[in-house]
Amino acid sequence: NAGVTQTPKFQVLKTGQSMTLQCAQDMNHNSMYWYRQDPGMGLRLIYYSASEGTTDKGEVPNGYNVSRLNKREFSLRLESAAPSQTSVYFCASNGQGISPLHFGNGTRLTVT
Amino acid sequence: RKEVEQDPGPFNVPEGATVAFNCTYSNSASQSFFWYRQDCRKEPKLLMSVYSSGNEDGRFTAQLNRASQYISLLIRDSKLSDSATYLCAVNRGNDMRFGAGTRLTVKP
Repeated sequence: NAGVTQTPKFQVLKTGQSMTLQCAQDMNHNSMYWYRQDPGMGLRLIYYSASEGTTDKGEVPNGYNVSRLNKREFSLRLESAAPSQTSVYFCASNGQGISPLHFGNGTRLTVT
Repeated sequence: RKEVEQDPGPFNVPEGATVAFNCTYSNSASQSFFWYRQDCRKEPKLLMSVYSSGNEDGRFTAQLNRASQYISLLIRDSKLSDSATYLCAVNRGNDMRFGAGTRLTVKP
C-alpha cells in the first residue's frame, strides 16, 4: 500500500531557484495538505485543498503556490527559493476534513 | 500565541513509569482531536484519536476537556520503544493544526 508518496526525498537549491514538490495519494481521499516542519516550531500548515479544484491558505503560505492537479495529486511550488524555506516538507491527506491525516515520508529541502 | 500549545519537554522517564502530556488549544470551534507519534527524521503517524468521553488503547489513554480546551495523553508502563516525539493535533473543518511536540525518552 503506497498511501501518500512524495518526491523528491532530498533537494538542495540555491537562493532564487524554483522547484516543485510532488505529492500523490492512492487512498481516494478528498483533502490534501502541505506542511513544513522546523525545529521548535512543529508542523505548520502551508496550504490545503479540501477537494479537487479548491485550494486555501494555511498559516504560512507566503513564498509558496500549490496546484491540485486532480484528486490524487497536490503539488507545492517554490518560485524563488529563500534560505528561510529550508525545512522538512510533509504532504498529507484525509478522507474528509475532520478525519486523521496520513502523511508522506517528507522532503528535506536545503536552500543555500 | 500559537493555536495549539504543548510542553516541549524533554520528558526523561525510566521504563515502567507512567507519563502524561497535555496540550491546550485556543479555538473553541475545534472539532476533532488526535495524538500523533513522530520518530526522529520520520513522518508523523497517528497514535490515536481523542473522543469526548475519553478513550483507551492498550497502555495509552487520551482525554478531552472541551470546557478547558485541552487534551491529554497518558502512557502507562512505559517501554523503551515509546521514545519519540508526541504531537497533538486539533482540527476545525479542513484545517488541522499541530502542537510543536513533546519529546519523550524512556530509559532502561
